[in-house]
Amino acid sequence: GQNIDQPTEMTATEGAIVQINCTYQTSGFNGLFWYQQHAGEAPTFLSYNVLDGLEEKGRFSSFLSRSKGYSYLLLKELQMKDSASYLCAVRVTGGGNKLTFGTGTQLKVEL
Amino acid sequence: DGGITQSPKYLFRKEGQNVTLSCEQNLNHDAMYWYRQDPGQGLRLIYYSQIVNDFQKGDIAEGYSVSREKKESFPLTVTSAQKNPTAFYLCASSASRQGSEQFFGPGTRLTVL
Repeated sequence: GQNIDQPTEMTATEGAIVQINCTYQTSGFNGLFWYQQHAGEAPTFLSYNVLDGLEEKGRFSSFLSRSKGYSYLLLKELQMKDSASYLCAVRVTGGGNKLTFGTGTQLKVEL
Repeated sequence: DGGITQSPKYLFRKEGQNVTLSCEQNLNHDAMYWYRQDPGQGLRLIYYSQIVNDFQKGDIAEGYSVSREKKESFPLTVTSAQKNPTAFYLCASSASRQGSEQFFGPGTRLTVL
């Protein structure tokens, strides 16, 4: 099976930078996704990493180290609307595009 | 507009009754998925289907059933055998291409009284 760990909660200040970590243990790793989910709503796709390194997309960046089983999501210039849960999900070989999700990190952005 | 629809948004049922949740997509995706989310938790996979007329159990399939008779539709039945059915249910779909992201519907919040 897979094991995915994320911090449960984080708090940050508007305008600041925050890094949300995700560690995983799995066999047959074949990609890692980050999703954003506002309370009571559907998750929305943020980023996908399958090779080591940094992927940048506007205010959001995601990093992957396969040898360490580690990823992070970096959010810059935080806005109040970034208050949400951030879900890390892992894809494994042979499962199509089936994902296993972590429990999510609830981010609260304060003034 | 392409997307995924789930209906209804809120559903109430009495204990012991089966209930079917609808999921339709017009994204021409081959794969579809059902997840359950409990308060403060991540998503847990119930069933998934990679192609029409085929589906596989996920991590928590007990007490649930699905069908995939059409590419666009993947209904989920919550049976009376599911011990704790009250939850937020999310349907998703994805293309078959490796690494394709999953697109989610708005979800159905099921409450069993």
